[in-house]
Amino acid sequence: DAGVIQSPRHEVTEMGQEVTLRCKPISGHDYLFWYRQTMMRGLELLIYFNNNVPIDDSGMPEDRFSAKMPNASFSTLKIQPSEPRDSAVYFCASSRLAGSTGELFFGEGSRLTVL
Amino acid sequence: KNEVEQSPQNLTAQEGEFITINCSYSVGISALHWLQQHPGGGIVSLFMLSSGKKKHGRLIATINIQEKHSSLHITASHPRDSAVYICAVRHTDKLIFGTGTRLQVFP
Repeated sequence: DAGVIQSPRHEVTEMGQEVTLRCKPISGHDYLFWYRQTMMRGLELLIYFNNNVPIDDSGMPEDRFSAKMPNASFSTLKIQPSEPRDSAVYFCASSRLAGSTGELFFGEGSRLTVL
Repeated sequence: KNEVEQSPQNLTAQEGEFITINCSYSVGISALHWLQQHPGGGIVSLFMLSSGKKKHGRLIATINIQEKHSSLHITASHPRDSAVYICAVRHTDKLIFGTGTRLQVFP
């Protein structure tokens, strides 16, 4: 398997533009997590899905952020409108959880810069 | 107080030294992960532990569930071990992350 695949790897955009980040989890993994990493706050969970259903979105900063998982092999994280404070690295991770045996696999991350 | 605390925050070592990074947590967990992140790089899972000890090459991870504490050891450290090491605990279905330990190993 190719691992968790994220795109784009880098995105530079202007304030107010819409940003869409994409993630393809590892086949067979039924959990998908979106994380954000900044220097100030480290890694933070934004939202996670189980079997394509959003379970906990309490980490989503505000209504400008939305995430979808239309099928088991694809998820998007959308920011509209984007702001400079959204600049961060966004990681997607997937896992097949069975009790405590669900190892986590991360994508390479999408580095977002909002000017 | 953070639910997951790591120490030290920064660590400098000479090549060949034995290194220990500590992680303490205050919540109930089903597993603990040690992650590695190289500068500008992605995140790699090194270990997932729910009890006892695991070893991969020069890396050893231990966990004491009663004391809510885990350690990551690196034997015979090498400059390529330079990275940020992150402890994360699985609490319900979520991961709670420590702030990371930045390790630099000099030749």
